[in-house]
Amino acid sequence: DAKTTQPNSMESNEEEPVHLPCNHSTISGTDYIHWYRQLPSQGPEYVIHGLTSNVNNRMASLAIAEDRKSSTLILHRATLRDAAVYYCILRDEDFNKFYFGSGTKLNVKP
Amino acid sequence: DTAVSQTPKYLVTQMGNDKSIKCEQNLGHDTMYWYKQDSKKFLKIMFSYNNKELIINETVPNRFSPKSPDKAHLNLHINSLELGDSAVYFCASSQVAGTGGHEQYFGPGTRLTVT
Repeated sequence: DAKTTQPNSMESNEEEPVHLPCNHSTISGTDYIHWYRQLPSQGPEYVIHGLTSNVNNRMASLAIAEDRKSSTLILHRATLRDAAVYYCILRDEDFNKFYFGSGTKLNVKP
Repeated sequence: DTAVSQTPKYLVTQMGNDKSIKCEQNLGHDTMYWYKQDSKKFLKIMFSYNNKELIINETVPNRFSPKSPDKAHLNLHINSLELGDSAVYFCASSQVAGTGGHEQYFGPGTRLTVT
């Protein structure tokens, strides 16, 4: 299975940018990089995904390294509501599977 | 409107019992999933159905049997419950992907406690 490696936890101040790193050195050419987050006592929530190019949406930006072996989720201005566990996931398109790693617990300080 | 719903939200039962968890999605998606999140918070895919057909079965014990009566529903039946089955079970759905990738929508989870 393709795997991802993320720091266990990170801390940020409210209204500051946050860069959440993810390593996926065994990524294959057909794997998409997805990011989800899970707020306490809730199901995971989609954040963003990409294949090779950097991506932006209303929630975040995704920066993908040129060799695709790592990526960074960027929250431009963290809010208290962004405190969650963030999962970097590789999606196997051939078999339609998502492989969740251990995630990064983001703490946002007021 | 709830996109992916699960019932019940909490389920407490004794070892050896048989129980079911229901899942419904109103998004018109073709693919549905069951995930298990253990006490260490690892999320692991168990099953996936596409248009009522099983497409993923991740070496789950055969005590777990998914049933999809139609593409909007995917239920999970568990026989002979064991202590190790205690976890939060999440249902999810998604469109069948083309080449663009797709997102999954998760339900709120069912916390199963086996005593």
